[in-house]
Amino acid sequence: QVQLQESGPGLVKPSQTLSLTCTVSGGSISSGSYYWSWIRQPAGKGLEWIGRVYTTGSTNSNPSLKSRVTISVDTSKNQFSLRLNSVTAADTAVYYCARDRSSGYYDYWGQGTLVTVSS
Amino acid sequence: EIVLTQSPGTLSLSPGERATLSCRASQSVSSSYLAWYQHKSGQAPRLLIYAASSRATGIPDRFSGSGSGTDFTLTISRLEPEDFAVYYCQQYGSSPRTFGQGTKVEIK
Repeated sequence: QVQLQESGPGLVKPSQTLSLTCTVSGGSISSGSYYWSWIRQPAGKGLEWIGRVYTTGSTNSNPSLKSRVTISVDTSKNQFSLRLNSVTAADTAVYYCARDRSSGYYDYWGQGTLVTVSS
Repeated sequence: EIVLTQSPGTLSLSPGERATLSCRASQSVSSSYLAWYQHKSGQAPRLLIYAASSRATGIPDRFSGSGSGTDFTLTISRLEPEDFAVYYCQQYGSSPRTFGQGTKVEIK
């Protein structure tokens, strides 16, 4: 059974960079034709796809966030990561990592981690 | 981008009743690339349905999906106590992938 777990700071100051890591267990991040995605949910709002990475390092991002997002993969550690720079209070959200079937839906998710942007 | 509108916002039902959840898209979802997820607070969301009507592995057959184009439906034939949760639809036919705002199914 594939499991995903997000980790990273729960508090980030405005204008700084949010950094999260997703550790995949129960299977190799390199096996199969899967992408690995980040999704977030601000309090009281809907889910928003942030972007995804393939095991080759190829990425796609939501145009609304593209200029601020970097997603990378470390196959040796079975991890992938998110960096979101120049954060504001609007980036406060629960951040989820998920396995992304190449066609575009998500069959395994992490439990999510709350990141608050505040000074 | 495609906007998904879910209705109702909240559905109050009793165990054993039938739940019908709607997801309407602002434009046609290509190839019926629509998924449904169940989400309970503090837990990982769970994939229920993909390709509009295909049940994910291990999902009970009381969950069914239907629809095409701009109108999709998730039906839970008989609600079990563990089914009370928030349900989201998601389209993956065009980029960026988008989600609906969710329907909360609560115990009446």
